[in-house]
Amino acid sequence: GAGVSQSPRYKVAKRGQDVALRCDPISGHVSLFWYQQALGQGPEFLTYFQNEAQLDKSGLPSDRFFAERPEGSVSTLKIQRTQQEDSAVYLCASSLAWGQVGHTIYFGEGSWLTVV
Amino acid sequence: GNSVTQMEGPVTLSEEAFLTINCTYTATGYPSLFWYVQYPGEGLQLLLKATKADDKGSNKGFEATYRKETTSFHLEKGSVQVSDSAVYFCALSDRINDYKLSFGAGTTVTVRA
Repeated sequence: GAGVSQSPRYKVAKRGQDVALRCDPISGHVSLFWYQQALGQGPEFLTYFQNEAQLDKSGLPSDRFFAERPEGSVSTLKIQRTQQEDSAVYLCASSLAWGQVGHTIYFGEGSWLTVV
Repeated sequence: GNSVTQMEGPVTLSEEAFLTINCTYTATGYPSLFWYVQYPGEGLQLLLKATKADDKGSNKGFEATYRKETTSFHLEKGSVQVSDSAVYFCALSDRINDYKLSFGAGTTVTVRA
């Protein structure tokens, strides 16, 4: 399809397990974003890429969280040694160019992570 | 820091009723303001936006006006339909890091036929 694609859609992980969440942005989109959405809350910013460069990772909650976009297209969000508080929906979004004002951001449907 | 406070839900309405969802914000400078909508089973999508004071964003019959004096961006629709049932999020981005959205907690709206 033409939208932002995320996989897996649902993931159950045992506490302490490592997980990797994949995002396929819309083809040609330079900017890519990851957000975390806890149950009943709004999304919270995690990190931002422009092409392969990670320009802002200020929202990553701990050093267990790592994101990469090595070729400026597909991105992976990795969570090491998962904990129960990591349970959330992880949203990926992309836009044609950086910045909100002139360019629409397109969100994927999210990866639902449950840590048990 | 930036923050967005929006009306708690859930909100349940009958078809053709008037809908208002309140949203107020705290930000440095003059942020851009947005309403996003999440329909069941779909990703977040931009509903409307306003980038400066007194601007009115509109789309699909929804409207919101950027009110600097009251730091508000309330969403309104004059006559809702069942298809408007969704979760609505108010959001802002500031001028310095305009790629970064700060969202409210969301308001669930259910419209009954």
